[in-house]
Amino acid sequence: RKEVEQDPGPFNVPEGATVAFNCTYSNSASQSFFWYRQDCRKEPKLLMSVYSSGNEDGRFTAQLNRASQYISLLIRDSKLSDSATYLCVVMTGGFKTIFGAGTRLFVKA
Amino acid sequence: DADVTQTPRNRITKTGKRIMLECSQTKGHDRMYWYRQDPGLGLRLIYYSFDVKDINKGEISDGYSVSRQAQAKFSLSLESAIPNQTALYFCATSLTSGGTDTQYFGPGTRLTVL
Repeated sequence: RKEVEQDPGPFNVPEGATVAFNCTYSNSASQSFFWYRQDCRKEPKLLMSVYSSGNEDGRFTAQLNRASQYISLLIRDSKLSDSATYLCVVMTGGFKTIFGAGTRLFVKA
Repeated sequence: DADVTQTPRNRITKTGKRIMLECSQTKGHDRMYWYRQDPGLGLRLIYYSFDVKDINKGEISDGYSVSRQAQAKFSLSLESAIPNQTALYFCATSLTSGGTDTQYFGPGTRLTVL
């Protein structure tokens, strides 16, 4: 079993749609959680950190469920520019960082 | 100017050749990392360094070596390249702080080993 698992997609959605991604992790001692965005052939960039109480940044909402060991990312009112791969990232022990393989999103007009 | 730079951006080489990939940063971060990315596998950690005198193996260090020449520079070497080292290589940096470890990535080096 992979330490961090994501549905690879692709998710194909129309502009304006709401889409949600889930990510599960296996290490219950994991401490920090992030979502990164990666455009084709580009470097990953931090989208948002994920806090225990859940957090929102504009159209993006992240949630953490420690009991079930998963995190989620919700994108509302999808834009064409949201098309990218979304990477779930889990950090354990202060330095061990595990990246999920990513979920591909295509937003179409 | 980019905060994290990598050279070269693209490289094609032959099996058995020695290759060095270089990473420089102007962010003043103490931690630096080398990852490789393969389709469907996500990013996998090769080596990481928490300061100039600290070098650690990551998940897939076999066939690679690194050098931390200064706080701002971290090089990755393939002593004798083989085709399955064909991948996209990323350098990343982060700053030691209380509880978080946001990593900032360079633009990547696309390496092809024939």
